[in-house]
Amino acid sequence: AQSVTQPDIHITVSEGASLELRCNYSYGATPYLFWYVQSPGQGLQLLLKYFSGDTLVQGIKGFEAEFKRSQSSFNLRKPSVHWSDAAEYFCAAGYNNNDMRFGAGTRLTVKP
Amino acid sequence: KAGVTQTPRYLIKTRGQQVTLSCSPISGHRSVSWYQQTPGQGLQFLFEYFSETQRNKGNFPGRFSGRQFSNSRSEMNVSTLELGDSALYLCASSLEGQGGNQPQHFGDGTRLSIL
Repeated sequence: AQSVTQPDIHITVSEGASLELRCNYSYGATPYLFWYVQSPGQGLQLLLKYFSGDTLVQGIKGFEAEFKRSQSSFNLRKPSVHWSDAAEYFCAAGYNNNDMRFGAGTRLTVKP
Repeated sequence: KAGVTQTPRYLIKTRGQQVTLSCSPISGHRSVSWYQQTPGQGLQFLFEYFSETQRNKGNFPGRFSGRQFSNSRSEMNVSTLELGDSALYLCASSLEGQGGNQPQHFGDGTRLSIL
């Protein structure tokens, strides 16, 4: 069955430290991949997307993600976290059959 | 370009009532999807409308329904409300729909509380 897994429910990092949020997908073929961020009381905002080509994708707010076909992963990274990055992050995968799946989300806490 | 607009932002209802939520997509977007978000179940897909037709449906009871108008605006209706329907309801629009290479753009949601 098609699914998206975010293994970490909650992550805490110190401000200025690096960040990596994990995402694994289970699909028959490589889906379109997305990362979204949700601040409290708001909707989801698109950070970046991967369709094909270069496996390292740059997004907004200094985020990047790397697609690894061999590991069925699409992990989100940021070299230096800011306090304003505290939010919930969702990985999503879509395929041509109009089926979009979201992971359960990872809540990021940033320590001062 | 205006984003996705959802109204109202907050609603309080009692069990047994019904409710209608509204979503205005980004201009030019023809696909509107609805999601229910709760702390326990996360983000769950309700349904997707494209050109006034329901194209996809999630695993929700028939009490949850929707429609889309010719201007792509969409409404979602929940009848016979239950306590478990308390959630943040998110609407997302895209040019062509879910799953393709068009990312979805989300509104800020309607927070529905059932007393």
